[in-house]
Formats: sequence, C-alpha cells, structure tokens
Amino acid sequence: DIQMTQSPSSLSAYVGDRVTITCRASQTVNTKLNWYQQKPGKAPKLLIYAASILHSGVPSRFSGSGSGTDFTLTISSLQPEDFATYYCQQSYSFSTYTFGQGTKLEIK
Amino acid sequence: QVQLVESGGGVVQPGGSLRLSCAASGFTFNSNAMHWVRQAPGKGLEWVAYIRYDGSNKSYGDSVKGRFTISRDDSKNTVYLHLNNLKTEDTAVYFCVKDGAAICDCFDSWGQGTLVTVSS
Repeated sequence: DIQMTQSPSSLSAYVGDRVTITCRASQTVNTKLNWYQQKPGKAPKLLIYAASILHSGVPSRFSGSGSGTDFTLTISSLQPEDFATYYCQQSYSFSTYTFGQGTKLEIK
Repeated sequence: QVQLVESGGGVVQPGGSLRLSCAASGFTFNSNAMHWVRQAPGKGLEWVAYIRYDGSNKSYGDSVKGRFTISRDDSKNTVYLHLNNLKTEDTAVYFCVKDGAAICDCFDSWGQGTLVTVSS
C-alpha cells in the first residue's frame, strides 16, 4: 500500500503568515494528490485536487504543487478561518485511497 | 446543492452488527461512485469502502475487508454500509462521501457523519 507522510504534524502561525505543509508518498502517485481541510466537529472539505487545481469556491490564497512523491500545500496569507487540520490523500492506487496523518494548524 | 445525510449510527457490542445509510440528493446519484470514510475519536481519516456508480465494483480497506459490505439502491438514492463482527477499534464517525470522478479522482462532497461506538 502507498503510505502518505505529512510534515509537520502541527504548526503554529500568525494571521498573515505564509505557511507550507508537506506531503510525501512512499512511491510515485504522479499528480493524483488531493488536499482537504477539516475544522473541529465538521466534515472535511476538498481544497485542491490533482496536486494543484483549486476546487470551486476555495480562496486563491491556497495553492498546491508537486508531482511524483513530494507535494506541498501553501497558504499565502493566513486568515482566522484557516486554522484547521489539513490532510493530503492519494488517489493513484485505484480503489485503495490513503490519507496522510494530518497537520494541525493553530493560532500563535 | 449536493446533500449527503448519514444515519444508523449508535452503540453496539463487540461482535455485533449495524447498517449505516446515506441519503443523497442534489446530483445524479446513479452516475456517481460513492465512498465511506471514517475517523476514530481524535484521530485522522481512514478510507473504508468504495462502490462504483453501477455497483459492479466494490473495494475495501484492509482493516474492514471481510467484515463490512457496501451497497447502493439507486431507486432510493441511498448508499449503505453493513458493519458486521464489529470491534472496539471500529469506533468512529463514519462519513458518506461522493466521488468527484466527473472532475477529479477525489472526494468532492462529504456528509456530516454518523457516530458508531463499539463497546461492551
């Protein structure tokens, strides 16, 4: 199975900061990499798919990049509503989907 | 807009069974694959099961294979997850998820989740 590893596991930042979260796959997933945001007590929401395509309605301060095994999610200027947990997920291995362990983004 | 409403969660003893339901609306249900994803308390997300849009292909995560069964009833716009031989480690919120196959290999819409607690 493809393993997904995110770093860091947690992160503290100020409103207005630029933040980057990394996701690494144990083998290539090409660009079959998605990012989700989850707030406490809520369902996850799709942010980015195919490594770099912003889902409809997602603010442009979010961006994704990478291919193969190494990917990043960047928030260019943190807003109060961005403090949440972020998950990467691979969809390369058909019918077996794997998530990273999550990165909790907290207010400093 | 897309709506996914799960039901059927509750408290069940180890070894017991449960059936979760997910009523879908706001999209062409019989053209979409569906998934179940779960989240244990305080933990991350774990993909559980997939069913193709026509029900012809199903797959499961290793931790539930042989115990859980996914099915769908297109006449009711509903997807089900049958949970058998439950273990304490199956305790989680179970989310019904719409596959984004029209635009991406991703999970583009999620229900609010239903809590399953396995405890004696």
